[in-house]
Amino acid sequence: DQQVKQNSPSLSVQEGRISILNCDYTNSMFDYFLWYKKYPAEGPTFLISISSIKDKNEDGRFTVFLNKSAKHLSLHIVPSQPGDSAVYFCAARIVGDDKIIFGKGTRLHILP
Amino acid sequence: NAGVTQTPKFQVLKTGQSMTLQCAQDMNHEYMSWYRQDPGMGLRLIHYSVGAGITDQGEVPNGYNVSRSTTEDFPLRLLSAAPSQTSVYFCASSYSRGGGETQYFGPGTRLLVL
Repeated sequence: DQQVKQNSPSLSVQEGRISILNCDYTNSMFDYFLWYKKYPAEGPTFLISISSIKDKNEDGRFTVFLNKSAKHLSLHIVPSQPGDSAVYFCAARIVGDDKIIFGKGTRLHILP
Repeated sequence: NAGVTQTPKFQVLKTGQSMTLQCAQDMNHEYMSWYRQDPGMGLRLIHYSVGAGITDQGEVPNGYNVSRSTTEDFPLRLLSAAPSQTSVYFCASSYSRGGGETQYFGPGTRLLVL
């Protein structure tokens, strides 16, 4: 039973345009959501997070939107740059729990 | 400050062999965890620890043992390797429980079980 779902295995976006990565979740007890970025042969790195009490969090070119009623969050990257080509993992945590549940990841390709 | 280090980077085992994947961090983080990454499966939590002497199971603990005798080290043991344990293993540490912006991952250990 997959609690965090990233239904798009890959996404290609032109450089300079907006990249939108989507994530759905099933567990209504999740209260904190995270996005990680991973380059080949490296460990994931934290990118941005959002608490369930917010519906938007912005950090430079990266914005995460949360729609609790739809159990959906998305990561927007504007403008997309070549260095953004990586695998992006959506993750979620239950309040008070020590475990983070990851999605399967979406590979983003930024095209020149 | 080396962050999170993992050794070895790559290992080939035969079915039934045992080995220990090493993980160390120098940030004085209380929380450490082990994940495995398989194609199309994302990152799955194997075991985690909230401090020295305290460990708990994650999503896929079977076939793996851990211990946490010091704050710095969190080794992962495979007692009898199986081909299903072929994967890339990541160790992570964080200042606070539940990861997030304080969580750092190691570079990974690629394990092949024949």
